[in-house]
Amino acid sequence: DVKVTQSSRYLVKRTGEKVFLECVQDMDHENMFWYRQDPGLGLRLIYFSYDVKMKEKGDIPEGYSVSREKKERFSLILESASTNQTSMYLCASTSTALYGYTFGSGTRLTVV
Amino acid sequence: DQQVKQNSPSLSVQEGRISILNCDYTNSMFDYFLWYKKYPAEGPTFLISISSIKDKNEDGRFTVFLNKSAKHLSLHIVPSQPGDSAVYFCAASAGYFGGSQGNLIFGKGTKLSVKP
Repeated sequence: DVKVTQSSRYLVKRTGEKVFLECVQDMDHENMFWYRQDPGLGLRLIYFSYDVKMKEKGDIPEGYSVSREKKERFSLILESASTNQTSMYLCASTSTALYGYTFGSGTRLTVV
Repeated sequence: DQQVKQNSPSLSVQEGRISILNCDYTNSMFDYFLWYKKYPAEGPTFLISISSIKDKNEDGRFTVFLNKSAKHLSLHIVPSQPGDSAVYFCAASAGYFGGSQGNLIFGKGTKLSVKP
């Protein structure tokens, strides 16, 4: 069964901390994405990557960075966490040959 | 400017009846459309899709209709069950990946509640 695995289901971090959210896929997909989901705002794209070491800004990249050193792993970094980054974070991946995404289970991040 | 719009944030339906979730889009380059279902504290899961060369696609209780001239698609669930209660996201794609044109564009979602 194909999988996108997010390392943590729930995280609580303090304001100002550096936060790493990890995502690993086992489907050899080229494309990986980070979204956040907030009530009434839907899924908003933070960053995406089409290949190793490549990254592209999505709609709301401010306050975030990403790293893709290996094809299967895409990390989202909050350089200095703030309370407005409290959200559900979703990682997704897809192949160039496909249209649909496979999502991970999500990480519920709370910044206090 | 939203390219994919789900104008109903919520919908409540009685068990056994039909649920109809609507989605409108503005970009005429979109050629593939998908519906995702999301339960709380879980990631979205793929439900059903339709290519722009079709006007209907059916999978069990779920049917998606596409009206290209109106730039409108809808998801029908018949009969609705309490387990269908979730947030449903409509998504659209303008083609190939490897460029941002291929990225899925999501609507804001509709929360469906199916009451027993």
